[in-house]
Amino acid sequence: AQKVTQAQTEISVVEKEDVTLDCVYETRDTTYYLFWYKQPPSGELVFLIRRNSFDEQNEISGRYSWNFQKSTSSFNFTITASQVVDSAVYFCALGPGGGGADGLTFGKGTHLIIQP
Amino acid sequence: GAVVSQHPSWVICKSGTSVKIECRSLDFQATTMFWYRQFPKQSLMLMATSNEGSKATYEQGVEKDKFLINHASLTLSTLTVTSAHPEDSSFYICSARLSQGNQPQHFGDGTRLSIL
Repeated sequence: AQKVTQAQTEISVVEKEDVTLDCVYETRDTTYYLFWYKQPPSGELVFLIRRNSFDEQNEISGRYSWNFQKSTSSFNFTITASQVVDSAVYFCALGPGGGGADGLTFGKGTHLIIQP
Repeated sequence: GAVVSQHPSWVICKSGTSVKIECRSLDFQATTMFWYRQFPKQSLMLMATSNEGSKATYEQGVEKDKFLINHASLTLSTLTVTSAHPEDSSFYICSARLSQGNQPQHFGDGTRLSIL
């Protein structure tokens, strides 16, 4: 069975601070994908990143960066110099590799609050 | 590209009413679409996988007679909540995958369903 754990239910930081959202996953698949989505109060899911299980390179996109550690089954997300607009619920998700037609398994989400 | 449109975005109706939610892939063909459900401050849970031209595959615990899914074309899947009751009130969100290759899912903006 697949499982995604986001142990941090809520994080509150002051604007401009760096913040890391943790994600730990469990799967028996050898090929899989990991995702991060942002869900603002309006409810839509905003895609942030998709990472293949074979690609352990860390990725940076502007103020966002992701650290994929296969050895610890973690895919953590860091926001540097946080801004109020970053306030949202962030979901980590696990999906099948190889073009499988299965849905995603989501973590419970981390509610990030950036205070001005 | 890869836009998924979901309609309606918000619906309020009386208990006992059946409600239909549409999920359309606007600029691509989707052999597979997925339906998720999200209770307030909870994670997204996969309800069913909708395959064009065949019966949907439901996750354990999801009543297929309650949540009717039709995927009659490569660009449209519908979810009908039959004889809805207050406990069916939730946020329903669909996603679609491109038919070719190992492509990620693209999510619609969701439907907030409130049953009075």
